[in-house]
Amino acid sequence: KNQVEQSPQSLIILEGKNCTLQCNYTVSPFSNLRWYKQDTGRGPVSLTIMTFSENTKSNRRYTATLDADTKQSSLHITASQLSDSASYICVVSARSGYSTLTFGKGTMLLVSP
Amino acid sequence: EAQVTQNPRYLITVTGKKLTVTCSQNMNHEYMSWYRQDPGLGLRQIYYSMNVEVTDKGDVPEGYKVSRKEKRNFPLILESPSPNQTSLYFCASGRASSLTGELFFGEGSRLTVL
Repeated sequence: KNQVEQSPQSLIILEGKNCTLQCNYTVSPFSNLRWYKQDTGRGPVSLTIMTFSENTKSNRRYTATLDADTKQSSLHITASQLSDSASYICVVSARSGYSTLTFGKGTMLLVSP
Repeated sequence: EAQVTQNPRYLITVTGKKLTVTCSQNMNHEYMSWYRQDPGLGLRQIYYSMNVEVTDKGDVPEGYKVSRKEKRNFPLILESPSPNQTSLYFCASGRASSLTGELFFGEGSRLTVL
């Protein structure tokens, strides 16, 4: 069964600090991996999309890494801001397109002043 | 502005009273989908549609119906809602032709069934 596991479940950091969120998956065959940010009560918003040939991708202060051999991904947030407080969801696709997306349960990040 | 619009955003209803949650997108996307999000379970797919008149079941389709008569609209129908359908619902859309296309989500519809 395809699964996506995220860790930690929740995390509290001080404003300005860096943090790294983890995503392990057992989805096969692998097509692409996405990271989404979901503010409380809002819809998820895409941060990055990575295919098997990409091992690093950056979007402003967010850097995602992908190791397709170990089936692991990480999302690194640099110089955190209060607005980074949100749930971060890892999503893996078993085929091209959206119909086989497997969602992780998310990591809840709280950035404290 | 490119967006996915859901209505209503909040709804309280009673068991058995049919309801429809509408979803509309203005990006000419072929793909549309419905998800429900429950605490501790993450997002789970209910139904999806790859194009007009084409719909398929997701992981948790029981108790729901959908239709795709127009490209821009993808309503979610609860014929006889039950309390276990109390949840936060999201509609999403994307370009079916893109291998790694971005999926755009609506703002969510919080449904409570008493």
